[in-house]
Amino acid sequence: NAGVTQTPKFQVLKTGQSMTLQCAQDMNHEYMSWYRQDPGMGLRLIHYSVGAGITDQGEVPNGYNVSRSTTEDFPLRLLSAAPSQTSVYFCASRDLGAGYGYTFGSGTRLTVV
Amino acid sequence: GENVEQHPSTLSVQEGDSAVIKCTYSDSASNYFPWYKQELGKRPQLIIDIRSNVGEKKDQRIAVTLNKTAKHFSLHITETQPEDSAVYFCAASINTDKLIFGTGTRLQVFP
Repeated sequence: NAGVTQTPKFQVLKTGQSMTLQCAQDMNHEYMSWYRQDPGMGLRLIHYSVGAGITDQGEVPNGYNVSRSTTEDFPLRLLSAAPSQTSVYFCASRDLGAGYGYTFGSGTRLTVV
Repeated sequence: GENVEQHPSTLSVQEGDSAVIKCTYSDSASNYFPWYKQELGKRPQLIIDIRSNVGEKKDQRIAVTLNKTAKHFSLHITETQPEDSAVYFCAASINTDKLIFGTGTRLQVFP
């Protein structure tokens, strides 16, 4: 049981490049979400999903796309990276039916130059 | 949407003293209020949570109180230890969907 796995751990992109941050969980959690963490800003919700085929926007969705084709995976796509997207990205999941605690991944540190 | 404000942004205490972190929320429908601890370079970890049908919850040296009328909740850490040094985040949500976080409090406990 690996919990929530994020890849890569570190990434440097040039402005305008695209990439996908991967998130996978092996706990059969229905709910998955992406946050970005910036100094002094706390954790801000980007997108979330309550199950396969269902996604919705959070507080700061612009510039990011998500899809949820399986229960296990919830990738976050940056279509055209901008320096403002330099941040630490966390994926989190929880079981809809069993308590409310979120399990976080270890994070991806993204730098856009 | 929900907005969570957290104070103070930094807090320094002497080992053995108590620490209190306060949060306010805007959406009266919010009914779930967790607290997370994040050590440097690590992921956030849930330390305690409270639901709106409870006014106070304790777990050893940690307690959380909730005032639904005033829409604020607080984290209390007693007998602080150096290993309590970390960033603490409060959060609020309706039925745990769309968990919205405060901006964090950096707690430093000096020996």
